[in-house]
Amino acid sequence: GESVGLHLPTLSVQEGDNSIINCAYSNSASDYFIWYKQESGKGPQFIIDIRSNMDKRQGQRVTVLLNKTVKHLSLQIAATQPGDSAVYFCAENPTNMELVFGAGTILRVKS
Amino acid sequence: GAGVSQSPRYKVAKRGQDVALRCDPISGHVSLFWYQQALGQGPEFLTYFQNEAQLDKSGLPSDRFFAERPEGSVSTLKIQRTQQEDSAVYLCASSLVGGGGGTDTQYFGPGTRLTVL
Repeated sequence: GESVGLHLPTLSVQEGDNSIINCAYSNSASDYFIWYKQESGKGPQFIIDIRSNMDKRQGQRVTVLLNKTVKHLSLQIAATQPGDSAVYFCAENPTNMELVFGAGTILRVKS
Repeated sequence: GAGVSQSPRYKVAKRGQDVALRCDPISGHVSLFWYQQALGQGPEFLTYFQNEAQLDKSGLPSDRFFAERPEGSVSTLKIQRTQQEDSAVYLCASSLVGGGGGTDTQYFGPGTRLTVL
């Protein structure tokens, strides 16, 4: 079936640097995309979302970019902090009901 | 409460036992979702309720899995005759209306980690 996938399973960055986490999706019918952060022993925490009629959306220290031409989604975290260490999932919402998640990227922040 | 709560947080069952996992969604949220998360993987959809109606159960892996939400609030996921492959984290999420973004963001609970011996 169609799925969302991630390019990099693990990303290590130095504290204070910017992080970029990438994701490829395959369902062209999806019109809503979300990034979640999951810390050990916790449920996924909503970070930011974007609709298909936008190509960029900014939040606090985070930016999501959507490139529909190549079906690519990215999450940029500015000035990465130790508290940003977690697993990051992109998800798409092809049916306006359930979310389809990718496998996740581990972000490790080195102090 | 402020968020989605789930209980128990951890459950150990012997193979063949029945288990029941509870989800308390955010008050007023119409939609409720169950997902299964295997170790090192992303969550996978199991089933979806809108109020008390179960609108989609296509993700339930077998007829041993059953979910209900009789009064449109609390939901229970029941697994009968548990097998080792059922070991996973079971996540519940709720959203105000549907799952389509904006005010329909899905908010997740902490999950129940089920271990079947």
